[in-house]
Amino acid sequence: GAGVSQSPSNKVTEKGKDVELRCDPISGHTALYWYRQSLGQGLEFLIYFQGNSAPDKSGLPSDRFSAERTGGSVSTLTIQRTQQEDSAVYLCASSLQPGSYEQYFGPGTRLTVT
Amino acid sequence: AQRVTQPEKLLSVFKGAPVELKCNYSYSGSPELFWYVQYSRQRLQLLLRHISRESIKGFTADLNKGETSFHLKKPFAQEEDSAMYYCALRRTGGFKTIFGAGTRLFVKA
Repeated sequence: GAGVSQSPSNKVTEKGKDVELRCDPISGHTALYWYRQSLGQGLEFLIYFQGNSAPDKSGLPSDRFSAERTGGSVSTLTIQRTQQEDSAVYLCASSLQPGSYEQYFGPGTRLTVT
Repeated sequence: AQRVTQPEKLLSVFKGAPVELKCNYSYSGSPELFWYVQYSRQRLQLLLRHISRESIKGFTADLNKGETSFHLKKPFAQEEDSAMYYCALRRTGGFKTIFGAGTRLFVKA
């Protein structure tokens, strides 16, 4: 079956513009995670969804970042008024259940803010 | 503070040589430890976790609570082991996973 998919694969945007990043998890996976990987850094946890709810949003770097999930499936990460420091690879992962040890990762979206 | 430290950004070994990728962690409580791997042009994937105590692709990792370490080892490296390796931890049964910065392993012929 299909794995986690993300779109777009690459996004170049001008500073100050808003961007939306999309994640399609594996069908039936109830848990969904967003991470950010900046150059030379490890993965930084951003937010986690259990169904359509996000119990913990503390990883979001600022109020310019928001995320939602609908129908227990697709999730969108929105970055408003992008800044150059937002440039990174944004990874999405899903797992069968919250607390499942194995997360399945998507290919990532490379965001470049010029 | 919860932290995962991988002191080596790059590790280069010859084929057939032993390899050890270091991982140290800081966590108050009982964490689960993982190693993830990302091969060239592939997705990040789970390699192994400490609870299972299994060997995957010849790799093993032992959790040393006294030294707060979870080093990844393989007695004889292969060229196909060349990849980026990430050590990670989370609270047992939790959802927030903390990753180290990663170590790039390069196995030379």
